[in-house]
Amino acid sequence: DTGVSQNPRHKITKRGQNVTFRCDPISEHNRLYWYRQTLGQGPEFLTYFQNEAQLEKSRLLSDRFSAERPKGSFSTLEIQRTEQGDSAMYLCASSPLRGNSYEQYFGPGTRLTVT
Amino acid sequence: DQQVKQNSPSLSVQEGRISILNCDYTNSMFDYFLWYKKYPAEGPTFLISISSIKDKNEDGRFTVFLNKSAKHLSLHIVPSQPGDSAVYFCAASAGRSSGNTGKLIFGQGTTLQVKP
Repeated sequence: DTGVSQNPRHKITKRGQNVTFRCDPISEHNRLYWYRQTLGQGPEFLTYFQNEAQLEKSRLLSDRFSAERPKGSFSTLEIQRTEQGDSAMYLCASSPLRGNSYEQYFGPGTRLTVT
Repeated sequence: DQQVKQNSPSLSVQEGRISILNCDYTNSMFDYFLWYKKYPAEGPTFLISISSIKDKNEDGRFTVFLNKSAKHLSLHIVPSQPGDSAVYFCAASAGRSSGNTGKLIFGQGTTLQVKP
């Protein structure tokens, strides 16, 4: 079990450019979540996948954001036409489908800086 | 609308003493609560959790207390160690029933400093 991994760890981009982040969850975990964390705040929910199906999207996820999880394995989060307000830490988490626990296991995050 | 609140941005305690971190919530649908610890440049790490059917859960030096009538929970760390210095987040979930996805709603975090 290597845990949740995210790539890249850091991304600096110019305003207006597109960026894509990748998340590899723990292999047996069917549930995958994306969160965004800004300075001084806790993580905020963005979207949720159960296997390959995207079942919930936050209102924080504007039309410029899109997420996929093809084949229910890794997931990508794309931001189009980035804005300075998109600068944040983007966190991915996974959890198993079964069981009574609600614990989610987080990756190290991708820190995005939009200049 | 902040559904989960941690009103103390920071807390400083002496090594060996008790650390008490507090958290309040407003949504009565929350039925599961978790504490996460976060070091700089790392993702949050799960620490301890409690279901709404319980009022206490203990794991080693960490104990979480839940007061449903007050919509309040707290994390006790005894004894505190310098390695406990980190940001602590309280989180709540409305569970996976009735179509809920188990998403977590986080508080703003409390920075704990344990002095040697």
